[in-house]
Amino acid sequence: QVQLVESGGGLVRPGGSLRLSCAASGFTFSDFYMSWIRQAPGKGLEWVSYISSSGSTIYYADSVKGRFTISRDNAKNSLYLQMNSLRAEDTAVYYCAREADIDMDYWGQGTLVTVSS
Amino acid sequence: QLVLTQSPSASASLGASVKLTCTLSSGHSSYAIAWHQQQPEKGPRYLMKVNSDGSHSKGDGIPDRFSGSSSGAERYLTISSLQSEDEADYYCQTWGTGIRVFGGGTKLTVL
Repeated sequence: QVQLVESGGGLVRPGGSLRLSCAASGFTFSDFYMSWIRQAPGKGLEWVSYISSSGSTIYYADSVKGRFTISRDNAKNSLYLQMNSLRAEDTAVYYCAREADIDMDYWGQGTLVTVSS
Repeated sequence: QLVLTQSPSASASLGASVKLTCTLSSGHSSYAIAWHQQQPEKGPRYLMKVNSDGSHSKGDGIPDRFSGSSSGAERYLTISSLQSEDEADYYCQTWGTGIRVFGGGTKLTVL
């Protein structure tokens, strides 16, 4: 069955960096676009970034452009999010999701990122 | 600008039906949307895609109690025979080139 497992979250100081990973299994990872979505405490869902199946097409939300970098390793069935220059407002649970015909049809359980001094 | 609008809250009684609404911004009434459910303290779960013609396709394992429909710029999620586990936040989501957009979510309370 399809599984997405995020890792790499934690506590980081403002201005710091963190790299999130999403391990995929149960499907042919290289066939699918992937997205990162976040949810601040008590708030709704916010799309962060998506990457095409080959990695050649990438887009970011304005709120993270220039600070976050999405990437993937199809040989390792893994998706990544490098987060630099972190701010308090980046505090959130970060989810990875598979995109099938553009629907986000499978989600991971999320990993918590807390940015605080 | 591509925007999705949802009512913040809704409520209905156990065993009854409820219809949640997601409204697409002006100029985007032909867009399909997806519905996602987020139960308390859990990650989101994909429910279905709803097209502008009202057709819909559900995700794996989604019960028949959940259905989708459309009218103009509005997309609907109807849940019938409400159960306690349907108490959750429901988000609509759509897409364009270079962007993915979520509605603000509707918190459904089952009375």
